[in-house]
Amino acid sequence: GQQVMQIPQYQHVQEGEDFTTYCNSSTTLSNIQWYKQRPGGHPVFLIQLVKSGEVKKQKRLTFQFGEAKKNSSLHITATQTTDVGTYFCAGRLTDLSGGSYIPTFGRGTSLIVHP
Amino acid sequence: DAGVIQSPRHEVTEMGQEVTLRCKPISGHDYLFWYRQTMMRGLELLIYFNNNVPIDDSGMPEDRFSAKMPNASFSTLKIQPSEPRDSAVYFCASSLAGTGGSEQFFGPGTRLTVL
Repeated sequence: GQQVMQIPQYQHVQEGEDFTTYCNSSTTLSNIQWYKQRPGGHPVFLIQLVKSGEVKKQKRLTFQFGEAKKNSSLHITATQTTDVGTYFCAGRLTDLSGGSYIPTFGRGTSLIVHP
Repeated sequence: DAGVIQSPRHEVTEMGQEVTLRCKPISGHDYLFWYRQTMMRGLELLIYFNNNVPIDDSGMPEDRFSAKMPNASFSTLKIQPSEPRDSAVYFCASSLAGTGGSEQFFGPGTRLTVL
């Protein structure tokens, strides 16, 4: 079935360094969502991107949606220990009638921040 | 609202036993999703319901798995008989509009261990 690929699988950083995770689809997405899952917790919604080329910011987090709506990225500036967790993208395909399928989650990128 | 409620939070059972996981979605949400999360396979969508009707169960791994949603406020995921490879965290999630781009709200999950 359709997959949303996410890389890297793991990322170790020193506190204060930047972090980026990438999400790619072979087909056009109607929108993409990002979730964060803290260790031992459950995924929590962060943001949704809908428009081609859209960029949204939440404090130190910057989310981008590609011009072709096939890829997205999440960038964290100056990581903190509170950023530790797994970040998932969830892409929705667009069917021929213009509706959207249920979102497909990527495998996630686990961020480990060393103090 | 208390959010999505799942029970039990932890379940330890022996191979061959029946396991029933329960979920109460957020009131008013019309989509309900069951996911399974493991280190090996990541977050997998098992089945989802729209207005209590199962829409896509292609993610259900085997006939040993079954899910029901008898009313808008309750769903169950049953495994009979359970096997050690079923050990995972099972999440239930709900949303307002599954195809419209609405965020999913996840429950705390049930950690299942099959010995």
